[in-house]
Amino acid sequence: DTEVTQTPKHLVMGMTNKKSLKCEQHMGHRAMYWYKQKAKKPPELMFVYSYEKLSINESVPSRFSPECPNSSLLNLHLHALQPEDSALYLCASSRGQGVEAGELFFGEGSRLTVL
Amino acid sequence: AQSVAQPEDQVNVAEGNPLTVKCTYSVSGNPYLFWYVQYPNRGLQFLLKYITGDNLVKGSYGFEAEFNKSQTSFHLKKPSALVSDSALYFCAVRRRGGSQGNLIFGKGTKLSVKP
Repeated sequence: DTEVTQTPKHLVMGMTNKKSLKCEQHMGHRAMYWYKQKAKKPPELMFVYSYEKLSINESVPSRFSPECPNSSLLNLHLHALQPEDSALYLCASSRGQGVEAGELFFGEGSRLTVL
Repeated sequence: AQSVAQPEDQVNVAEGNPLTVKCTYSVSGNPYLFWYVQYPNRGLQFLLKYITGDNLVKGSYGFEAEFNKSQTSFHLKKPSALVSDSALYFCAVRRRGGSQGNLIFGKGTKLSVKP
């Protein structure tokens, strides 16, 4: 069982909607990540939060807006998405830096469909 | 440019036979190396990692991986495959001293184990 919880598991939204994906971990990890994964492809890094501060934004379009309210929570706010944004969105966490930043704990993902 | 190669899109193995999933990398220095597994409609799960020391690393579910510095390879192995091992496997590398999030994934190899 994963210790990173993502909600909702499935989300269908129109291009004009505003929705949010949520992620929660209680392992005391200080780094949290958002990844986007298309079918049968590797995950693509979107954002990294370290100690609740945004440390990496991989040139993600502004229609994706991350938020880290506290060390256990990570949100991804979605607005005016495009159909090509349909994908599995994965949240992950890690203990910290160095080799630990490569040992990621993933949630089961939120499958997003944009109509 | 740093990269990870998984030369096989799919590996087919009969249950009970040994399996190997190949991975080679092109990263400067001595990187950290990882294997992840993804079951259908699930997030990625960490299997094992190589940091330093013994070239044979043991991980979860009976998997092991062999690090070969001269060949820059980190192949995943299991002595006796199970049908339940059928999944998508990702090799990943992270450069020592790299920033958080600098985890490079291979494209993935689908493992199919037949009874």
